[in-house]
Amino acid sequence: QTVVTQEPSFSVSPGGTVTLTCGLSSGSVSTSYYPSWYQQTPGQAPRTLIYSTNTRSSGVPDRFSGSILGNKAALTITGAQADDESDYYCVLYMGGGIWVFGGGTKLTVL
Amino acid sequence: EVQLVESGGGLVQPGGSLRLSCAASGFTVSSNFMTWVRQAPGKGLEWVSIIYSGGDTFYADSVKGRFTISRDNSKNTLYMQMNSLRAEDTAVYYCAFVGAYNWFDPWGQGTLVTVSS
Repeated sequence: QTVVTQEPSFSVSPGGTVTLTCGLSSGSVSTSYYPSWYQQTPGQAPRTLIYSTNTRSSGVPDRFSGSILGNKAALTITGAQADDESDYYCVLYMGGGIWVFGGGTKLTVL
Repeated sequence: EVQLVESGGGLVQPGGSLRLSCAASGFTVSSNFMTWVRQAPGKGLEWVSIIYSGGDTFYADSVKGRFTISRDNSKNTLYMQMNSLRAEDTAVYYCAFVGAYNWFDPWGQGTLVTVSS
């Protein structure tokens, strides 16, 4: 069974830049996996940030960007703010009607 | 405004059954792909199931054979029938619309299912 990997935790300074990644236990992530990214704060439903690798969802500030870096999907936050402190999840479409989420990254801004 | 509202969660004993509902407004459930995602307490998101506009259904291995996704076009509502429930099915269950590029948005607010004796 393919596992989608994310960094368990990451830390960034206010105003700094951080790149979170989303990989596969076997193989490389490409645009064909339609990677999407979600932000979640405790007790809230996920909020869509990025879909189809690099398209920002409506209302998402342009300091959030998505890309493919090497063999992984990536979410870059430029100019991190205190309220960016959240859990971030990627999900990949594996084909055959199956999606798999990564384990999530807990981002701390300090 | 597109909105999804889940209901039907609650406390159920191991081996029991529960049916979750997801009422949609602002769009037509039957014309779109709809999905269920769950989140166990303190854990990450887990994709559970999807129903395509044509009616095809798919499931995560963890629920295959126990859960059934369906919809009622007249009520514009998505369902998840959950049978043979286990403690590890305890989670907040979210429904979501699946966009054309395989993304999930919007999401409902979630409904909590607790499987415990």
